[in-house]
Amino acid sequence: RKEVEQDPGPFNVPEGATVAFNCTYSNSASQSFFWYRQDCRKEPKLLMSVYSSGNEDGRFTAQLNRASQYISLLIRDSKLSDSATYLCVVNPLTGGGNKLTFGTGTQLKVEL
Amino acid sequence: GAVVSQHPSWVICKSGTSVKIECRSLDFQATTMFWYRQFPKQSLMLMATSNEGSKATYEQGVEKDKFLINHASLTLSTLTVTSAHPEDSSFYICSARYHDRGNSYNEQFFGPGTRLTVL
Repeated sequence: RKEVEQDPGPFNVPEGATVAFNCTYSNSASQSFFWYRQDCRKEPKLLMSVYSSGNEDGRFTAQLNRASQYISLLIRDSKLSDSATYLCVVNPLTGGGNKLTFGTGTQLKVEL
Repeated sequence: GAVVSQHPSWVICKSGTSVKIECRSLDFQATTMFWYRQFPKQSLMLMATSNEGSKATYEQGVEKDKFLINHASLTLSTLTVTSAHPEDSSFYICSARYHDRGNSYNEQFFGPGTRLTVL
């Protein structure tokens, strides 16, 4: 089983739609969770951290369910510029230092 | 945010040659740098963790004699792909971390990546 699993998509949605992605992780001791955004042929960029209580940043909402070991990202009122690959990233701090484990990413395409 | 540069942006070389990739933190001192590799449609895979002034720690399955890492200063780490072969063609990305003792997790800042094509 992969350490971090995501549905690769692509998810094709119309502009203005609300879309959600899920991600599951296998290491129950994982401590930190993030969503990164990666545009085609570019480096990943931190979108937001994911906190246990859930957190929101503008149109983006992230949630963590430790019991089920999954993380979600909700994008409201999607824009064309949201088209990218969204990477679920986990940092198992315990014994893992600052190493990040990346999922393969979920591709989002926002269309007119 | 912090800026990490990477050079070259892309390189095409013949099989058997060696290629050096530089990763620099431009406006902060990076106590730790990480080297990743990403094949098409796959996730970023950590190759090695590089601490300034000490030997790099390689992930399982990554040959340390093939991927030479040097972290001579707090702002520069280099990755040399020795005797490159077509299967080494990939997107190589570095990241740099600034150590803040008050923060149990310190964000990694990624370089723009180097696309290596070995003919």
